[in-house]
Amino acid sequence: EDKVVQSPLSLVVHEGDTVTLNCSYEVTNFRSLLWYKQEKKAPTFLFMLTSSGIEKKSGRLSSILDKKELFSILNITATQTGDSAIYLCAVDRWLGTYKYIFGTGTRLKVLA
Amino acid sequence: NAGVTQTPKFRVLKTGQSMTLLCAQDMNHEYMYWYRQDPGMGLRLIHYSVGEGTTAKGEVPDGYNVSRLKKQNFLLGLESAAPSQTSVYFCASGGNQPQHFGDGTRLSIL
Repeated sequence: EDKVVQSPLSLVVHEGDTVTLNCSYEVTNFRSLLWYKQEKKAPTFLFMLTSSGIEKKSGRLSSILDKKELFSILNITATQTGDSAIYLCAVDRWLGTYKYIFGTGTRLKVLA
Repeated sequence: NAGVTQTPKFRVLKTGQSMTLLCAQDMNHEYMYWYRQDPGMGLRLIHYSVGEGTTAKGEVPDGYNVSRLKKQNFLLGLESAAPSQTSVYFCASGGNQPQHFGDGTRLSIL
């Protein structure tokens, strides 16, 4: 059975800290891995990763994929209170259609 | 620049009532999806559509029906609501690009 596991489930840090969120997966027909940020409403897209070892970066956020060990990490440096959110990892599989399987998410709280 | 729009945003139903959740996208995406989000469970796929006039079951389809009469719209129906269907429902559109989500519908079944 395909699965995506995120850790930790929740995390509380102080502003300025650096955090690393983890996502491991076991799926058939892997196509890509995606990270989303969910504040109060819609999940919003952060990164899509398809190749191992190539870092994607956007401001203070970065992510990398290891297709051999089947995991990805999302790093946030110099955290701010606006980074407080649930971070969702999803794996896209090609099964004749495009369908994601999501992890349960990591809830990050950044204290001022 | 609406993206994906869901209506209503909130709804309270009594057990056994029926209702339809509406989703509209203006990005010309072929694929549309309905998910539910429950605490500790992540997003789970209910039904999806690969194009106008098509629908298919996801992981948790029981108790729901869907229709995609127009490319831009995807409707989710609850024929006889049950307390277990209390959840936040998200619509998304995409396909060969990252899925784009609506703001969700919070549904409570009493």
